[in-house]
Amino acid sequence: DVKVTQSSRYLVKRTGEKVFLECVQDMDHENMFWYRQDPGLGLRLIYFSYDVKMKEKGDIPEGYSVSREKKERFSLILESASTNQTSMYLCASSLASGTAGELFFGEGSRLTVL
Amino acid sequence: DQQVKQNSPSLSVQEGRISILNCDYTNSMFDYFLWYKKYPAEGPTFLISISSIKDKNEDGRFTVFLNKSAKHLSLHIVPSQPGDSAVYFCAASGFVQFYFGTGTSLTVIP
Repeated sequence: DVKVTQSSRYLVKRTGEKVFLECVQDMDHENMFWYRQDPGLGLRLIYFSYDVKMKEKGDIPEGYSVSREKKERFSLILESASTNQTSMYLCASSLASGTAGELFFGEGSRLTVL
Repeated sequence: DQQVKQNSPSLSVQEGRISILNCDYTNSMFDYFLWYKKYPAEGPTFLISISSIKDKNEDGRFTVFLNKSAKHLSLHIVPSQPGDSAVYFCAASGFVQFYFGTGTSLTVIP
């Protein structure tokens, strides 16, 4: 079974702090994604990566950056956390670069910024 | 602009009856569609998918229908069970990216 592991299930941070969210997948997937989920807004794509050291902006990249130094690991970084970044963050991975590939999600990281 | 839309935020159904969840999309380049189920404080889990070359795909109690001309897909759950109560997201993909709807919260009443 594919496993996508997010390092922290729950985090509480203060405004202005730097936040790292780590994600590791164990199935040698090329593609990795970071989404945030907010009530009434669904899942919105922040960044994705289709290869090591490659990254592409999603729909809401402002205030975030990412790092993919190894194929299995994709990190989301909030350089200076703000209260409007309080959300559920979901990491996902997929094998196929084209279509017919399923997204596998981690358990999610609930971030609260005070 | 939202490329995948789920216009019903919530749906309540009696146990044993059919649940029908709807989804519309705008981009004709999408060729793969998926449904995910999500419980609170957990990540979404994959339910069922359909390629654009098909109009129906079945897996047990779950069936997805695709109407390409209307850019519409639906998920049918028959019979509905209390454990099906969750938020359901539809998603569409054309290449690498997946686009999600805003979700429909399904409540199955025992």
